[in-house]
Amino acid sequence: AQSVAQPEDQVNVAEGNPLTVKCTYSVSGNPYLFWYVQYPNRGLQFLLKYITGDNLVKGSYGFEAEFNKSQTSFHLKKPSALVSDSALYFCAVRDGRGYKLSFGAGTTVTVRA
Amino acid sequence: NAGVTQTPKFQVLKTGQSMTLQCAQDMNHNSMYWYRQDPGMGLRLIYYSASEGTTDKGEVPNGYNVSRLNKREFSLRLESAAPSQTSVYFCASSEAEGFGEKLFFGSGTQLSVL
Repeated sequence: AQSVAQPEDQVNVAEGNPLTVKCTYSVSGNPYLFWYVQYPNRGLQFLLKYITGDNLVKGSYGFEAEFNKSQTSFHLKKPSALVSDSALYFCAVRDGRGYKLSFGAGTTVTVRA
Repeated sequence: NAGVTQTPKFQVLKTGQSMTLQCAQDMNHNSMYWYRQDPGMGLRLIYYSASEGTTDKGEVPNGYNVSRLNKREFSLRLESAAPSQTSVYFCASSEAEGFGEKLFFGSGTQLSVL
């Protein structure tokens, strides 16, 4: 069975500092990995995905994520956080054999001015 | 530029009442999904429709039914609401059912069952 773990419920950073949101996964076979962001009272929005190829994936709003197969991780990063990055972030994985996209429980990011 | 539209945005039901959540997308997407979001549990798939005319159960289908009315519309019905169905419901769509396809989400329906 596939699963996703986001070990931190909350991440707090100061504006201008680097932001990292952690994600580890478990699948059989090759993983298809995604990050989504949810702003208050809104639906989820796609940020980026890893399918194959370069382990460093660049996405929307200056975010990037690094795929690490040996550590089964797909951490989301941003070099310089903005107050507007404050939101709920979800990591998701699909194992390539079925329809199911499994989501992590989410990490609330708060960026203070 | 509507994307995925869900109605209603808020709903309060009494135990045993029924209701239908509506979802429509204007992106000509083939696949549509219903998720529920509960605190600390992420999103869980209720039902999905890979293409017009097909529907399949997700991981938490009990107590729900769906209808893929046409390519644009995918409704979720609660026949006899229970307090355990209090949640935020999201409809989503994707161009296809491919493994790398990204999902587009509606803004959600907040449902309370008393």
